[in-house]
Amino acid sequence: DTGVSQDPRHKITKRGQNVTFRCDPISEHNRLYWYRQTLGQGPEFLTYFQNEAQLEKSRLLSDRFSAERPKGSFSTLEIQRTEQGDSAMYLCASSFSLPNEQFFGPGTRLTVL
Amino acid sequence: AQTVTQSQPEMSVQEAETVTLSCTYDTSESDYYLFWYKQPPSRQMILVIRQEAYKQQNATENRFSVNFQKAAKSFSLKISDSQLGDAAMYFCAYRSHDMRFGAGTRLTVKP
Repeated sequence: DTGVSQDPRHKITKRGQNVTFRCDPISEHNRLYWYRQTLGQGPEFLTYFQNEAQLEKSRLLSDRFSAERPKGSFSTLEIQRTEQGDSAMYLCASSFSLPNEQFFGPGTRLTVL
Repeated sequence: AQTVTQSQPEMSVQEAETVTLSCTYDTSESDYYLFWYKQPPSRQMILVIRQEAYKQQNATENRFSVNFQKAAKSFSLKISDSQLGDAAMYFCAYRSHDMRFGAGTRLTVKP
């Protein structure tokens, strides 16, 4: 296990379709985070898990977005009825509990046509 | 709400020279952490340096150091002896509960 991995790396979809992304954190880490990054901006926090519990959700996470971490290991982020405004890089990060640094994955770039 | 401001969208430095990237933040918390992350083109974000707010001593990691001014809510990054591999987007980040990032500074290193 060499780091955080994300799958797929790129996703192109048509507006209205559903997409799901996967994140595999560093195995010892109990915290997992999802961010969205648009071009020329810093990452924006979406949500995070401690083990399998989703502890915080940003207001950016509309009801079309859902995230799960069923066994406290990998996580999925699903976007339903995608919109063009959802086009962005979706980053996953993991860490031990505070105050440790977050380790980022390579991201999934979503393009909604 | 906590906000992080990076006022320099782009910076340029000559190889082997020193450059300072600025960051200010707004918070009412007294206990928090500050980070500088580096994001090279098409590559993933990696941590450059971290500062705990309760520590008065400025953090240093090899060629990277910070100037942390808690009262002024300022957290600048100094890169000494700049190398071509330092070219990247640099993000300042604040963490109390969740992590907040600035908009980034694109650093170009000229040979």
